Amino acid sequence: GQNIDQPTEMTATEGAIVQINCTYQTSGFNGLFWYQQHAGEAPTFLSYNVLDGLEEKGRFSSFLSRSKGYSYLLLKELQMKDSASYLCAVSRGSTLGRLYFGRGTQLTVWP
Amino acid sequence: ETGVTQTPRHLVMGMTNKKSLKCEQHLGHNAMYWYKQSAKKPLELMFVYSLEERVENNSVPSRFSPECPNSSHLFLHLHTLQPEDSALYLCASSQGGAQGANVLTFGAGSRLTVL
Repeated sequence: GQNIDQPTEMTATEGAIVQINCTYQTSGFNGLFWYQQHAGEAPTFLSYNVLDGLEEKGRFSSFLSRSKGYSYLLLKELQMKDSASYLCAVSRGSTLGRLYFGRGTQLTVWP
Repeated sequence: ETGVTQTPRHLVMGMTNKKSLKCEQHLGHNAMYWYKQSAKKPLELMFVYSLEERVENNSVPSRFSPECPNSSHLFLHLHTLQPEDSALYLCASSQGGAQGANVLTFGAGSRLTVL
């Protein structure tokens, strides 16, 4: 199986920066994904890393270290609407969407 | 709307009932998936269909029966469920090919309660 670990909950204030970490242990690693899920809504794709390094997309950035089995999602200039669950998922050696998810990190942004 | 529509959004059923969940994608994708999301547990992959052919059944009990009549529609037929099957069932789709294959587009889910 896959061991995908991320913190259960995090809190931060508006305008701040927050980093959500994810560690994984898996064979046949083929990429790491981050999804955002607001309560009662569909998970939506945020980012994808397959090579080591940082991918930046506006206020959100994602980092991957394959040798360390580690990724993080960095959220800058936090807004209230960023309060959501952030799901880390690993893809294993497949061209189909067989993703293995962590339990998600519930982020609460306070005014 | 994400382009993946699930109905019904909420379903309550007894253990002896038979019901079906429906998923429709309007994105022209060629792969569709069922995932299960239980409280405080990770999203679990249940079934994968590629070009209308089931390519994965992730050790799911036979009381869950998927059907994919064409590349736009996916069903999950439910019968003699147990209370522990109560969960959010998420449908997703993706476009095959090396780049985009794993980027899933999810529907909003069907919240199932088994009494």
